[in-house]
Amino acid sequence: SQQGEEDPQALSIQEGENATMNCSYKTSINNLQWYRQNSGRGLVHLILIRSNEREKHSGRLRVTLDTSKKSSSLLITASRAADTASYFCATENTGNQFYFGTGTSLTVIP
Amino acid sequence: ETGVTQSPTHLIKTRGQQVTLRCSSQSGHNTVSWYQQALGQGPQFIFQYYREEENGRGNFPPRFSGLQFPNYSSELNVNALELDDSALYLCASSPVGGLGYGYTFGSGTRLTVV
Repeated sequence: SQQGEEDPQALSIQEGENATMNCSYKTSINNLQWYRQNSGRGLVHLILIRSNEREKHSGRLRVTLDTSKKSSSLLITASRAADTASYFCATENTGNQFYFGTGTSLTVIP
Repeated sequence: ETGVTQSPTHLIKTRGQQVTLRCSSQSGHNTVSWYQQALGQGPQFIFQYYREEENGRGNFPPRFSGLQFPNYSSELNVNALELDDSALYLCASSPVGGLGYGYTFGSGTRLTVV
């Protein structure tokens, strides 16, 4: 079974709007990562946040981590049509195990 | 050479057969992990290899096994194939044991079991 759960499952927004997706997980982690996947192809690493970090930025991406609530959020600002993809959170634990969430399907309408 | 390369890209096997999938990790990466992704689902962690030793395993039966070679390339072997093994199999590599670094993924092998 997968450790993470994401919501919403699907999100549709207009180009230029912000997109927020959330991830919850179940056990202690070393780090949490976000990935993007286009049409069932390989995943692309977006950003990694360590368990002792609370917020991280990379370009138009902003990730937060709340270890007390075992949750994370990914914010994509000023979305573009090219951001249309599935987004997954993934947690890496102390046992060298790596678990992906169920994913959020994002559609950005031009 | 950069990036993670997987072969073959597509494969059709019959139930009960055995399959070997291959992965060449990104240059400089010594950690390789494998994932199974069913249609419409998130990837599920199968196992991870670090310096030729398995150092992490997900909830998969023993008929899923692997190898990592001295050049850090890797194989995933699946014995006694079942219909539910049909999926996209993804390989990913990372430097220095993966801790604190992201993973670089290959484009995957699409396995169909009939």
